[in-house]
Amino acid sequence: EAQVTQNPRYLITVTGKKLTVTCSQNMNHEYMSWYRQDPGLGLRQIYYSMNVEVTDKGDVPEGYKVSRKEKRNFPLILESPSPNQTSLYFCASSRRTGMGKRERESYNEQFFGPGTRLTVL
Amino acid sequence: QQPVQSPQAVILREGEDAVINCSSSKALYSVHWYRQKHGEAPVFLMILLKGGEQMRHEKISASFNEKKQQSSLYLTASQLSYSGTYFCGTERDGTSYGKLTFGQGTILTVHP
Repeated sequence: EAQVTQNPRYLITVTGKKLTVTCSQNMNHEYMSWYRQDPGLGLRQIYYSMNVEVTDKGDVPEGYKVSRKEKRNFPLILESPSPNQTSLYFCASSRRTGMGKRERESYNEQFFGPGTRLTVL
Repeated sequence: QQPVQSPQAVILREGEDAVINCSSSKALYSVHWYRQKHGEAPVFLMILLKGGEQMRHEKISASFNEKKQQSSLYLTASQLSYSGTYFCGTERDGTSYGKLTFGQGTILTVHP
């Protein structure tokens, strides 16, 4: 079954304790992204990756790190979590565009993981 | 800068129509629409590209006005299953692929 998986699904931790949220996709997608979702703010992109070893900042990257050593995995690392990082996190993946009629590459349909609810005390 | 969605919430009876708008102050290359049901992940509805056609997904359609930097999502003859939060996501024109900025969401509730 084609899917994006995230682990853990729920996590309660304390300020300053490093943690990693894993994300894996089995669709051979080139593109992967991390989002956080907070009430009233919608989905905000944290980091994205266009391919292995290629990552860049989204709109809210402060306090987060990512790596893309393998195509299928895109872990999100919080080196020193703080309470303002309490949120619902989603990982997403999508395939690369065949340029075709498009002027440039653009997002295709993104497949989202089930989400990770993180609470930092 | 996040696109602005309006309205923030809408309540319908089954069979009624609704329009959700998504506006940006920046020139856009594409607009994406997703629906999220409570407790679930967002699910893709459609993508509209600059210069592209109006898109359709079942009884849901959308348009993209490049001059106004605005997209509208049209929900026709709404069904109970349409309930959820709708998000638009935008890619800015003149930039390379990568950043996707979502609006704050519109909560749609459909009653029997």
